[in-house]
Amino acid sequence: DTGVSQDPRHKITKRGQNVTFRCDPISEHNRLYWYRQTLGQGPEFLTYFQNEAQLEKSRLLSDRFSAERPKGSFSTLEIQRTEQGDSAMYLCASSFAGSGEMNTEAFFGQGTRLTVV
Amino acid sequence: GEDVEQSLFLSVREGDSSVINCTYTDSSSTYLYWYKQEPGAGLQLLTYIFSNMDMKQDQRLTVLLNKKDKHLSLRIADTQTGDSAIYFCAEITGAGSYQLTFGKGTKLSVIP
Repeated sequence: DTGVSQDPRHKITKRGQNVTFRCDPISEHNRLYWYRQTLGQGPEFLTYFQNEAQLEKSRLLSDRFSAERPKGSFSTLEIQRTEQGDSAMYLCASSFAGSGEMNTEAFFGQGTRLTVV
Repeated sequence: GEDVEQSLFLSVREGDSSVINCTYTDSSSTYLYWYKQEPGAGLQLLTYIFSNMDMKQDQRLTVLLNKKDKHLSLRIADTQTGDSAIYFCAEITGAGSYQLTFGKGTKLSVIP
């Protein structure tokens, strides 16, 4: 296993189009996270899955954003009706932790850079 | 306001020590992390410290935590040109949340 894999690495889309990104976590990891990073900023949390259950969502995740992790393995993040403000790097991370364990030794993928024109 | 704050830039000479500082506001932080990001790349976890510790050392890296002042630092000994990157401090709180809150990052430039 080579780590967290994200696809595509780059995406250019026209405003108003829908886009979908995929994340394949490290295989034994039960937790999966999505973050967004804009230029000059640190990553901002979007959402978190424990196995297939989406347990936490940021208020940054507007109703145009939806994330799924149907079988508790890979995850998709879809943005509908993209806006220029959605242009950012979308980072996926995964970790393994037992029930109730707080440590998030999360490993990040290389990200998908979205440009909305 | 910012939950995690870092100075934006640091410049050091190759071979010197680098010290990157971070302050956080949430007193319920349980774990604090340092991540490294090279241009065009994702984040690499460097090290982390649990809030009941005050120091952790890992090869050239030393993390110091002052919980009273909510201050975290990362010292890189014998800084190399390959250490040039952006370093992010991040915290996770114990409030039933698993999200990391990141600072804006400190850009470390190593002068040969």
